[in-house]
Amino acid sequence: EDQVTQSPEALRLQEGESSSLNCSYTVSGLRGLFWYRQDPGKGPEFLFTLYSAGEEKEKERLKATLTKKESFLHITAPKPEDSATYLCAVRDDYKLSFGAGTTVTVRA
Amino acid sequence: SQTIHQWPATLVQPVGSPLSLECTVEGTSNPNLYWYRQAAGRGLQLLFYSVGIGQISSEVPQNLSASRPQDRQFILSSKKLLLSDSGFYLCAWAPGTSGKETQYFGPGTRLLVL
Repeated sequence: EDQVTQSPEALRLQEGESSSLNCSYTVSGLRGLFWYRQDPGKGPEFLFTLYSAGEEKEKERLKATLTKKESFLHITAPKPEDSATYLCAVRDDYKLSFGAGTTVTVRA
Repeated sequence: SQTIHQWPATLVQPVGSPLSLECTVEGTSNPNLYWYRQAAGRGLQLLFYSVGIGQISSEVPQNLSASRPQDRQFILSSKKLLLSDSGFYLCAWAPGTSGKETQYFGPGTRLLVL
């Protein structure tokens, strides 16, 4: 069975303090690793898709990287508006398997 | 551009009552459609998915059912709600069957069963 583990569960950062979130996975046939951002009471918002080890994607202060067993979401110089829960998911055929998420709080 | 709608946004229902949640997608045709449930502090759990009208696959045995009466309409139902059905229900769509498509989520429905 596919498994996705995200760490840490929660991360409190000072504005401007860069950090990384981890997503480790086991899947029989990876067909994409996805990062989403979810604000309280809202649906997840798509951020990135990564397909192969070594691939990197960037969007504003966020950068996602992928290895054969894990992915990192790097947040550079975060701002309070980056506060959210970040979800990682792996795709195996038609199905997405999600981790429990990392809740990031950025204090001004 | 594509838009996904869900309603209602919030619902409070007594145990044993029926349920109907609706999801519609605009701006695309023949999408794959998905229903997820999100419990507090846990990841999203896939409940049902559909690749076409009338085609429903169930992932988790439960007292919920799904139907797809039209190409861009997906309905989640129950005849008798349980306390354990409380949660945040999310509908998602993906553009076709290439095998690499990204899933895009709706705003969600918060269901509280009392």
